[in-house]
Amino acid sequence: QVQLVQSGAEVKKPGASVKVSCEASGYSFTSYSIHWVRQAPGQRLEWMGWINVGSGNTKYSQKFQGRVTLTRDISASTAYMELRSLRSEDTAVYYCARDEDLWGQGALVTVSA
Amino acid sequence: EIVMTQSPATLSVSPGERATLSCRASQSVSSNLVWYQQKPGQAPRLLIYGASTRATGVPARFSGSGSGTEFTLTISSLQSEDSAVYHCQQFDNWPRTFGQGTKVEIK
Repeated sequence: QVQLVQSGAEVKKPGASVKVSCEASGYSFTSYSIHWVRQAPGQRLEWMGWINVGSGNTKYSQKFQGRVTLTRDISASTAYMELRSLRSEDTAVYYCARDEDLWGQGALVTVSA
Repeated sequence: EIVMTQSPATLSVSPGERATLSCRASQSVSSNLVWYQQKPGQAPRLLIYGASTRATGVPARFSGSGSGTEFTLTISSLQSEDSAVYHCQQFDNWPRTFGQGTKVEIK
């Protein structure tokens, strides 16, 4: 079954970091790119960045540049998104997506003191 | 950054009637546009890619049209299960950008 399965919900304090994983199955992991998108309560979907799984090349939204890092472990068919210096406004559901056609189930990250 | 604007914000349609959703880009994105359907508590689901091609398994009542800056998603005969938020997204330029979504309600 072709799917992306993300790690579970996280609760973090302001200033901390979070690392969300996205495990791919049912397809050739290196043949597609992975995007990371977040959705804060009541807000539109927001693109954070992209990783070319085969090469490891990345692109980031200027909004998150310097605070986010996208990586992948080919042997584990898993992509990762790390967001640092968390603030309350980072409370959102974080999604990974294979190109534009397949999304993970989302991971809720709550930032609260 | 390309700004995507969807209208209306909310659309209330009776079952069996047609629903027409609009998406406008602040500059041309050619046909590099997708539509997603998102139900509460779920991830977005791809409906339309390349502005007008239905994704696998998407019912024929969903159709997309347009190119450049003006795009339309049409649901020809609304079913109860079509109640959702619909998002457009351009993938012509970095950063990828989304519209604010149109909520479709069943009247």
